Amino acid sequence: TQLLEQSPQFLSIQEGENLTVYCNSSSVFSSLQWYRQEPGEGPVLLVTVVTGGEVKKLKRLTFQFGDARKDSSLHITAAQPGDTGLYLCAGAGGTDKLIFGTGTRLQVFP
Amino acid sequence: EPEVTQTPSHQVTQMGQEVILRCVPISNHLYFYWYRQILGQKVEFLVSFYNNEISEKSEIFDDQFSVERPDGSNFTLKIRSTKLEDSAMYFCASSVAGAVETQYFGPGTRLLVL
Repeated sequence: TQLLEQSPQFLSIQEGENLTVYCNSSSVFSSLQWYRQEPGEGPVLLVTVVTGGEVKKLKRLTFQFGDARKDSSLHITAAQPGDTGLYLCAGAGGTDKLIFGTGTRLQVFP
Repeated sequence: EPEVTQTPSHQVTQMGQEVILRCVPISNHLYFYWYRQILGQKVEFLVSFYNNEISEKSEIFDDQFSVERPDGSNFTLKIRSTKLEDSAMYFCASSVAGAVETQYFGPGTRLLVL
């Protein structure tokens, strides 16, 4: 069974701080997607990473796919209150379905 | 920007009743999916659909569930006889192709079974 564990589960920080969220598995994924989800809404895609070692940047967000394609990280620089939300990683394991991680709930205080 | 839409946004039903959740995937996408998220839990895969047939389904997707693409734009999930434990957010997603391609999610339907 493929599982994705995210850490930390909860994160409360002050505006301006940096943070890193981790997404780990013992399984290899052909691609990994990061989503952000607001309460009562669907996951909104942030990025897809496909190649081992790949780094993608989206403004203040930096996403990295591990060399072995088993893990990924999301780094946010100078967090803002608008970054508050639930961050989900999801892996494609060679079939069509996505395996979702356990989620990291981020709260950024002004 | 094209997006996946879902109706209704909320559905309340009595246990044992049938419900149909509707989705309009992004127009040039070929793969369609249903996921669900029980309150406070992970998003879970239910079923994927391609070329007018189910390509993969999870153990959650039992005989009470069915999917259909009744026309060129809609994709539906039917639950024949709802149970209390079917209460969840149901998300439709679509992608251009399967496997590594990016899946785009709709806003969800919140189903409450009483």
